[in-house]
Amino acid sequence: DIQMTQSPSSLSASVGDRVTITCRASQDIRNDLGWYQQKPGKAPKRLIYAASSLQSGVPSRFSGSGSGTEFTLTISGLQPEDFATYYCLQNNTFLAFGGGTKVEIK
Amino acid sequence: QLVESGGGLVQPGGSLRLSCAASGFTLRPYWMHWVRQAPGKGLVWVSRILSDQDGGSTIYADSVKGRFTISRDNAKNTVYLQMNSLRVEDTAVYYCATDTQYIPDKWGQGTRVTVSS
Repeated sequence: DIQMTQSPSSLSASVGDRVTITCRASQDIRNDLGWYQQKPGKAPKRLIYAASSLQSGVPSRFSGSGSGTEFTLTISGLQPEDFATYYCLQNNTFLAFGGGTKVEIK
Repeated sequence: QLVESGGGLVQPGGSLRLSCAASGFTLRPYWMHWVRQAPGKGLVWVSRILSDQDGGSTIYADSVKGRFTISRDNAKNTVYLQMNSLRVEDTAVYYCATDTQYIPDKWGQGTRVTVSS
């Protein structure tokens, strides 16, 4: 099974900061990776698919990069509505989520 | 939108069938997923079913294989998750989602399943 390791598990940041979240796969998954945002009590929302393709309607401050085993989600200019938990998801072999990264207000 | 239903309290070893009904669009062309989230924990992918057009095949996470069955009824515009031999660790909110680009896209609001004696 492919394991997805997300880091950090949590971080504190201020509005306007640039935030980077990393997801590492236990084996090569090409670009078969998505990123999701989840707010408390709500369903997840897809931000990125195919590692770097921005979901329609998602602000351009969100970007994804990487291929193979290392991937990043970057938020350029954190906004108040971005405080949430973020998950990566690989779909190369079956599907598996990373453990999540909680982005909190500093 | 997608609306899940069928959750509730069940004893260990019991069964539940979750439903995921679509309104405003047809599920027919979509691959569909179930994803769960235990209280205070992260997202866990559970199962996927392809569209009938793509063969309708199913896959499952190891943790539910042999106990859960995903199915679809396009005439009723609904996807199901039959859950048998339920365990305490199956306690979670269960979400259904459409698939585009090979991963979950649009999600329902979830239905809560509690397995407890």
